[in-house]
Amino acid sequence: TAGITQAPTSQILAAGRSMTLRCTQDMRHNAMYWYRQDLGLGLRLIHYSNTAGTTGKGEVPDGYSVSRANTDDFPLTLASAVPSQTSVYFCASSVDGASNQPQHFGDGTRLSIL
Amino acid sequence: QKEVEQDPGPLSVPEGAIVSLNCTYSNSAFQYFMWYRQYSRKGPELLMYTYSSGNKEDGRFTAQVDKSSKYISLFIRDSQPSDSATYLCAMSDNRLAFGKGNQVVVIP
Repeated sequence: TAGITQAPTSQILAAGRSMTLRCTQDMRHNAMYWYRQDLGLGLRLIHYSNTAGTTGKGEVPDGYSVSRANTDDFPLTLASAVPSQTSVYFCASSVDGASNQPQHFGDGTRLSIL
Repeated sequence: QKEVEQDPGPLSVPEGAIVSLNCTYSNSAFQYFMWYRQYSRKGPELLMYTYSSGNKEDGRFTAQVDKSSKYISLFIRDSQPSDSATYLCAMSDNRLAFGKGNQVVVIP
C-alpha cells in the first residue's frame, strides 16, 4: 500500500537555491497539507489545499509556495532557501477538509539548508 | 498558554508496564481528538480517534477524553519494546492542532 509518497527523502541545499518537495497520494483524498516538524516546536502547518485548484495559508507560510493542479499531487516550493528552513517536512492528506477527518502522513523529507 | 499542551518527556518504562500519556487544551471548541504514533524517521500514523467524552479501547490502547476538564489521555497496557516511539496528541475544531509529542522508551 502506497498512501502518500514524498520525494526526496533527504536533501542538502545551499542557501539561496530553490527546491521543490514532491508529494503524491493515491487515496483520492480531496484535502492535502504540508507541515514542518522542528524539535521543541512540533508540527506546524505551512499550506493546505481542500480541493484541487485551491490552496490556503497555514501557520508558517512565509518563504513557501504550493500548487494543486490535480487531486494527487501537492508540491511545496522553496523559492530561495534560508538556513531557518532546515527541518523535516511532512505531507498529509484527508478525505476532505472537514474537521472530523483524520490526516494521513507521508514519511517526510529531511531538508538541510547550508 | 499554548492551545495544546503535551509534556515532551522522555518517558522510560520497563516492558510490561502501563504507559500513561496526556494532553491538556484550552480551546473548548475542539470536538475531535486523536493520538498519533511516530517512529524514528517516519511520519505520524493515526493510532486512536475519538469524538465524545469517555473511553475508547483498541487492543492494548485506551484513549480517554474529559471535555469538562479539557484533558485527554492515552494508556498503553502491557507495553512492548515495539511501542517505543513518539506519541502526539491532536485535536480539531475547524483545523487540526498538535501537541509537541511525548517520547516513550520501553526497556526490555
